[in-house]
Amino acid sequence: DAGVIQSPRHEVTEMGQEVTLRCKPISGHDYLFWYRQTMMRGLELLIYFNNNVPIDDSGMPEDRFSAKMPNASFSTLKIQPSEPRDSAVYFCASLSGEGGNIQYFGAGTRLSVL
Amino acid sequence: GQQVMQIPQYQHVQEGEDFTTYCNSSTTLSNIQWYKQRPGGHPVFLIQLVKSGEVKKQKRLTFQFGEAKKNSSLHITATQTTDVGTYFCAASFISSGSARQLTFGSGTQLTVLP
Repeated sequence: DAGVIQSPRHEVTEMGQEVTLRCKPISGHDYLFWYRQTMMRGLELLIYFNNNVPIDDSGMPEDRFSAKMPNASFSTLKIQPSEPRDSAVYFCASLSGEGGNIQYFGAGTRLSVL
Repeated sequence: GQQVMQIPQYQHVQEGEDFTTYCNSSTTLSNIQWYKQRPGGHPVFLIQLVKSGEVKKQKRLTFQFGEAKKNSSLHITATQTTDVGTYFCAASFISSGSARQLTFGSGTQLTVLP
């Protein structure tokens, strides 16, 4: 398996622009997590899905952030409008509910909002 | 919210010296996991501890879970330059809505000097 695939790997955008981050989980995994990593706040859970349904979005910073999982093999995290404080590395992770509790992380998307 | 405290934040050691990082919670944990993130990389699962007082070893790495299931440690014996990275504990709380949801510690960044 190719693992969790995230795109793009790097994104540079200007304040006010819409940003869409993409994630393809490992095939067969029924949980998907979106994290944000910064030096100041560490690794924060933003939202997670189980069987494509959002379970807990309490970590989503504000209404500018939204996440969707239209099917078992694809999820998006959208920021609109983006702000400089959104600059961070965004990770997607997936796990199989039948395979234990191990989360497999993608390589991340490094977002810079100028 | 539920937090897990991790110390130290940074550790510089000479190659061959030992290294230990600690995680503490004020509430009882369901289980605790450890992840390693290499510079520029993504978190990679190392191990999961579930039972009170559990001790697991992986070559030079020793993982412990406290008797009260509120603390854990990772000890590396005779560090090598390949051990460089940030080590995170990730806790699942008994009171959490889902055992799949993890709360990450702030991480310990290990530097090994040759």
